[in-house]
Order: sequence, then C-alpha cells, then structure tokens
Amino acid sequence: DAGVTQSPTHLIKTRGQQVTLRCSPKSGHDTVSWYQQALGQGPQFIFQYYEEEERQRGNFPDRFSGHQFPNYSSELNVNALWLGDSALYLCASSLDWGTAYGYTFGSGTRLTVV
Amino acid sequence: GQQVMQIPQYQHVQEGEDFTTYCNSSTTLSNIQWYKQRPGGHPVFLIQLVKSGEVKKQKRLTFQFGEAKKNSSLHITATQTTDVGTYFCAGRGSNYKLTFGKGTLLTVNP
Repeated sequence: DAGVTQSPTHLIKTRGQQVTLRCSPKSGHDTVSWYQQALGQGPQFIFQYYEEEERQRGNFPDRFSGHQFPNYSSELNVNALWLGDSALYLCASSLDWGTAYGYTFGSGTRLTVV
Repeated sequence: GQQVMQIPQYQHVQEGEDFTTYCNSSTTLSNIQWYKQRPGGHPVFLIQLVKSGEVKKQKRLTFQFGEAKKNSSLHITATQTTDVGTYFCAGRGSNYKLTFGKGTLLTVNP
C-alpha cells in the first residue's frame, strides 16, 4: 500500500529550535498539503505544493516554510519554534486539487516543543 | 476568511441510536468533503458533495449538501461501536483552499 508516509512520527524540540518534517505522497499523487492539528481541533491549513511551488497558503507566519521535490515528496520547516507550535502535523496528498477523490492523509508527526 | 463551523462538538449515543452532525460555512462552497478520524488516527476521506441539494448514501451514512451550498449534514442510522471517532466536514471555497471544521466527536455506548 503506497499511502502517505511521514517522518518522523514523534519529535521533541526546545523552544527556539528549528525542525524539518518530511512527507512522501501516495503513489500517483502530485499535490501535497500540510495541516496543523492541535489537540481536539480540526486540521488547520498551512500550505499546499504543486509542481514544486507553493500554490496556496493559510494564515501561518513566515516561520513556516516548505518545499516540494521533483519526486513530489515534501518538507515542512518551522523556524524559531514556539510552545504553541506543539501539535500533530499532517501531510495530505492528492491528485491536483483533490476534488475527485479527496485527500489522503499520512499518520502525522507529533511535535512537542518544550 | 472562510470559516466552517460544526455542531455539535460532542455527541454520545447508545448503540442503535441515530446521529447527525451539521456543518455551516460563512461563504458559498464549490464543494464539501467529509472525513472521519478515529481516536489516535488521521483523517480518512469519506465522500465529496458538489451539487446544490445533493444527497449521497454510503450504507448507514447519509450526506446532504444544502441548496445554497453553504451547509451540509452527515446522518448515521443505527450507530455501531465502529462508528466511534471525530467527523469533520471540509469546505472548498472559490480560492480552492480546503477548510476543516472543528469536528464532532461521536462516542457510542454498547
């Protein structure tokens, strides 16, 4: 099953540090979206990548940046970590806008900032 | 910006009872999707509604999209313990962003 793969699964960082999260999309998917999910909340849209470019962005500061590689995999970088950045970070892949079959989510990276 | 609201936040039912969650958008949507997230899991796509007034069924689940394309509902008939989880609606606006609601957590007492 070539689903969405995220790494690492868990991460503990200190306030002020930088972190990089990685995502491999489902086979055949070309678009990657990143979401932040705080405990008990719905996923909040961070940004979306297609053809190696940021196509859409949510209301997140510039500390959050990303990249998409030619093989469609993606990275999410967060600089100068705050305690409030502690959350589950979800990567979702889709074919283009995901309007036909929805998004396929990975299991997420649980980030804890101490 | 676009906001998607869901009610109720929590719903506890006895097994066999029905369950409904409602979703409202601050803006007209091009389509709406529904996802289920099991405790400790990740969201799993259930369905997408596109047309005004559209109704779709998946076994015991019935999904509706409002005539004005600003609201939607998910109804589960005769809940089972396997239905436990958080149900999210996610609306796509004219800017193509997919905005999730806060979800409805369903618990089922066997």
